[in-house]
Amino acid sequence: EAGVAQSPRYKIIEKRQSVAFWCNPISGHATLYWYQQILGQGPKLLIQFQNNGVVDDSQLPKDRFSAERLKGVDSTLKIQPAKLEDSAVYLCASSLFAQKNYEQYFGPGTRLTVT
Amino acid sequence: QQQVKQSPQSLIVQKGGISIINCAYENTAFDYFPWYQQFPGKGPALLIAIRPDVSEKKEGRFTISFNKSAKQFSLHIMDSQPGDSATYFCAASNFNKFYFGSGTKLNVKP
Repeated sequence: EAGVAQSPRYKIIEKRQSVAFWCNPISGHATLYWYQQILGQGPKLLIQFQNNGVVDDSQLPKDRFSAERLKGVDSTLKIQPAKLEDSAVYLCASSLFAQKNYEQYFGPGTRLTVT
Repeated sequence: QQQVKQSPQSLIVQKGGISIINCAYENTAFDYFPWYQQFPGKGPALLIAIRPDVSEKKEGRFTISFNKSAKQFSLHIMDSQPGDSATYFCAASNFNKFYFGSGTKLNVKP
């Protein structure tokens, strides 16, 4: 079974530029998450999708971050414009969400550096 | 507010020793408590998980102890090996939404 795929793996941009990250979850997984992980901290949920609907985006800075999940499969997270404090690893995860199966699988992450 | 508190922040253990990481939570609605292992440059990987209807779960060298009344749970790594050196995160979940602890960096000395 293929895991969660993310691209790019690394990205360096200047502040005020825009950037987009892509995620392909495990096939059949209905729930998709985007997390922000700042160095030395645990992952912080940015947005959670159930199929192609948003379940929770309460911690997504909506003035600069946006995310979509096309056809309930792939997802894209965008930052526009980026700030220095957005430097972090952006993790995508997916879970089956069936019969209270909560097992969550993470991708390798995209390390973003904003200069 | 921080939903899950994890300690210690870092831990050094000799090879063969027992590593113990603790977590505490407040929300009694949490119904799933996983532990993740993360190596540098990798995403977190599910290690072991427990539901609140049991007090202990063991998988190989890894054991979760769960104390529902105290709202605490811990990860025990028996016979710790240098290959276990990684950052460990506890988490708590309700309705498929996860809250993570701040992580414990484990260093197992040869």
